[in-house]
Amino acid sequence: ETGVTQSPTHLIKTRGQQVTLRCSSQSGHNTVSWYQQALGQGPQFIFQYYREEENGRGNFPPRFSGLQFPNYSSELNVNALELDDSALYLCASSRGLAGGVGTQYFGPGTRLTVL
Amino acid sequence: TQLLEQSPQFLSIQEGENLTVYCNSSSVFSSLQWYRQEPGEGPVLLVTVVTGGEVKKLKRLTFQFGDARKDSSLHITAAQPGDTGLYLCAGPPGAGSYQLTFGKGTKLSVIP
Repeated sequence: ETGVTQSPTHLIKTRGQQVTLRCSSQSGHNTVSWYQQALGQGPQFIFQYYREEENGRGNFPPRFSGLQFPNYSSELNVNALELDDSALYLCASSRGLAGGVGTQYFGPGTRLTVL
Repeated sequence: TQLLEQSPQFLSIQEGENLTVYCNSSSVFSSLQWYRQEPGEGPVLLVTVVTGGEVKKLKRLTFQFGDARKDSSLHITAAQPGDTGLYLCAGPPGAGSYQLTFGKGTKLSVIP
């Protein structure tokens, strides 16, 4: 059974650019959640996808968007990057039902630096 | 917004010492989870506590959920360098909620 994988590992972008981060969920998991972890902070919930539909969203602007594919892998897209978007982006998969957290398994994250 | 406050923020101790870290909230949580995160990696779930007053043990780690389900603690006995990491508590902000609210974490360093 493979764990949660994320790509790329590191990424450097400049202000105003767009970025796409990718996540492959653990085998048998149908729910993917994305979190942003700024330096020295705990992770903050961005949104969750369950069976290809957004199932909840945290306090993030619309320029943060996502997708989930039929194989339950997921993408996080961020448009018009700002310096404050520099953070570790974590993906977590779970065998959850809509409306429940389930046990979430985290990937290693993508470190995004915005210059 | 339900917040989780963790203390202390930083902790540096010698190998073999005992320690306790705390996770507090003014709100009731249906459950709380503890994670450990090492540099360059994602958080790894250690335990989930669900019932008020519950105590769970994982080798040298003891987790307790407060009676009112507003606080939790993690006690480590005879700390080892391998315990070094960021300890995070997290919980769903409502029953059936789909997200996790995290504290800022306690950064533990165990010196050999």
